[in-house]
Amino acid sequence: DAGITQSPRHKVTETGTPVTLRCHQTENHRYMYWYRQDPGHGLRLIHYSYGVKDTDKGEVSDGYSVSRSKTEDFLLTLESATSSQTSVYFCAISDPRDGDEQYFGPGTRLTVT
Amino acid sequence: DQQVKQNSPSLSVQEGRISILNCDYTNSMFDYFLWYKKYPAEGPTFLISISSIKDKNEDGRFTVFLNKSAKHLSLHIVPSQPGDSAVYFCAAASGTYKYIFGTGTRLKVLA
Repeated sequence: DAGITQSPRHKVTETGTPVTLRCHQTENHRYMYWYRQDPGHGLRLIHYSYGVKDTDKGEVSDGYSVSRSKTEDFLLTLESATSSQTSVYFCAISDPRDGDEQYFGPGTRLTVT
Repeated sequence: DQQVKQNSPSLSVQEGRISILNCDYTNSMFDYFLWYKKYPAEGPTFLISISSIKDKNEDGRFTVFLNKSAKHLSLHIVPSQPGDSAVYFCAAASGTYKYIFGTGTRLKVLA
């Protein structure tokens, strides 16, 4: 498995609270991504990063922000969590030097009550 | 509007037979396509890919076919095994590293 970890793996939080999910990689891959997976929607891209401090929006970026201050870490923040953000969140990495496929982390299950 | 569609939410196949999973796309600019497999409580894992300059790519029991005129790709698994039971996602990209995923097809291989 590619060296990708996500923390926490599970989280329950209340509506209106801020939440930060962390993705950490040991592969020195250039690109990092955050997806959410929901029934009937598959995997939808939230934000991605193409280098340190370089990020861009995906399909469903509203309500989320990201930061990448170093190659190995990509943080996803929900400034004020809502019940619609209850989902499973996956981080992924890729690099042109390693082909075009993405390698995924194990996921974080977030429940907003 | 969904740019990548997997119209069959589920598929059941007997062990040893062929599994065919389908994927349609609407954006003619897509030039790279991938298939991923996902087991419960795990992240998706890469299976096989194809670029738009090819119409077929094979890797062991897995073959992906691309029909650009129909904007359609399919994944063939021969022979199917019980361990292939999983959710399969297709994904597409257009010259960037931003991938659009389909909604997935749940494959069940019956022993």
